Amino acid sequence: KAGVTQTPRYLIKTRGQQVTLSCSPISGHRSVSWYQQTPGQGLQFLFEYFSETQRNKGNFPGRFSGRQFSNSRSEMNVSTLELGDSALYLCASSAGDRRWTEEYFGPGTRLTVT
Amino acid sequence: QQPVQSPQAVILREGEDAVINCSSSKALYSVHWYRQKHGEAPVFLMILLKGGEQKGHEKISASFNEKKQQSSLYLTASQLSYSGTYFCGTAYNQGGKLIFGQGTELSVKP
Repeated sequence: KAGVTQTPRYLIKTRGQQVTLSCSPISGHRSVSWYQQTPGQGLQFLFEYFSETQRNKGNFPGRFSGRQFSNSRSEMNVSTLELGDSALYLCASSAGDRRWTEEYFGPGTRLTVT
Repeated sequence: QQPVQSPQAVILREGEDAVINCSSSKALYSVHWYRQKHGEAPVFLMILLKGGEQKGHEKISASFNEKKQQSSLYLTASQLSYSGTYFCGTAYNQGGKLIFGQGTELSVKP
């Protein structure tokens, strides 16, 4: 089975711009979660989508949003970028079983905001 | 609330054992363990549910003490490939979001 794929892998944006990141889950997985990873804050949960509905949400400002399509692919968007948004953004997919939520991570998108 | 991992870092010689702990101040539904090597994505190791069920890689051993709300990951006869940062993620209810600890950096030397 192919793993989780994320595009693009690297991105450089300017403060104030917006960005869209894409994630394709493992085939058959219906849940996609997004995380932000930084050296100072570690791995922080952004949101989770299951069957096109947001099922969980982390403590991030409204500038961070996401969506999931009918084929389970997901996108996240960050508007009005700030320097502090520079991070590795990881997407993880799981089967969506609420009891067993083992997640499989993609390689991430490295976002640099200048 | 973020779970607390200990130790923050550990250095081992090949063949030595290590224990990594993950503690929560709130009652947990599940604990998840991941390993991340530098420049790579986190890799799933194990999930433990309250009540005793667990699922994960055969060579990985972990425990979940519900009274203490603490999980421990046991790395025995360490190999060079065990090096990396180990994260525990905790969920407070079934299907709840995962909150990760700050990570434990493990380095195995020849």
